[in-house]
Amino acid sequence: EAQVTQNPRYLITVTGKKLTVTCSQNMNHEYMSWYRQDPGLGLRQIYYSMNVEVTDKGDVPEGYKVSRKEKRNFPLILESPSPNQTSLYFCASGPSGGTDTQYFGPGTRLTVL
Amino acid sequence: QKEVEQNSGPLSVPEGAIASLNCTYSDRGSQSFFWYRQYSGKSPELIMSIYSNGDKEDGRFTAQLNKASQYVSLLIRDSQPSDSATYLCAVSPGGKLIFGQGTELSVKP
Repeated sequence: EAQVTQNPRYLITVTGKKLTVTCSQNMNHEYMSWYRQDPGLGLRQIYYSMNVEVTDKGDVPEGYKVSRKEKRNFPLILESPSPNQTSLYFCASGPSGGTDTQYFGPGTRLTVL
Repeated sequence: QKEVEQNSGPLSVPEGAIASLNCTYSDRGSQSFFWYRQYSGKSPELIMSIYSNGDKEDGRFTAQLNKASQYVSLLIRDSQPSDSATYLCAVSPGGKLIFGQGTELSVKP
């Protein structure tokens, strides 16, 4: 089944404790992206990757890191999480950047205490 | 000014009516335009994409694009209760994808 998977789906952590949210797709897509969704602010792009070893900042990259060492994986790293990073995070992938369908993962609900 | 703006809603229409959702964007270099639907507690899913001026129809859905006015709209004909969701307008100037804040649609039986 073609899909984007994220892990974990739910995470409660404390300020400053490094964490990684994994994202994997099995559709051989070149494009992958991370978004956060907050009430009243909609979906905001954190980082995106047009291909392996190519990453670019979205609109809200501060406090996040990403890497794209393999085509199928695009982990999101929070080196020192803070409460303002409490949010619903979505990973998405697509055949090409911004000009084609993006398929979203199920979401990761992160709470930083 | 926000880069992509939508009517905040909620928009309520009776079953069988036409629902009209609107979106404006600020970047004139934008080339690709999308409408996503998001049910409560679920991930967004693409319902329409449009790249050139005019109308694009897909079943009960019609997307309209006017680049001169920097305006995108989505019409849902014969609205059904199952169409009740939040509709997200997204615009791509290339690489990035910028979403509006979404319009909540409620279709009343």
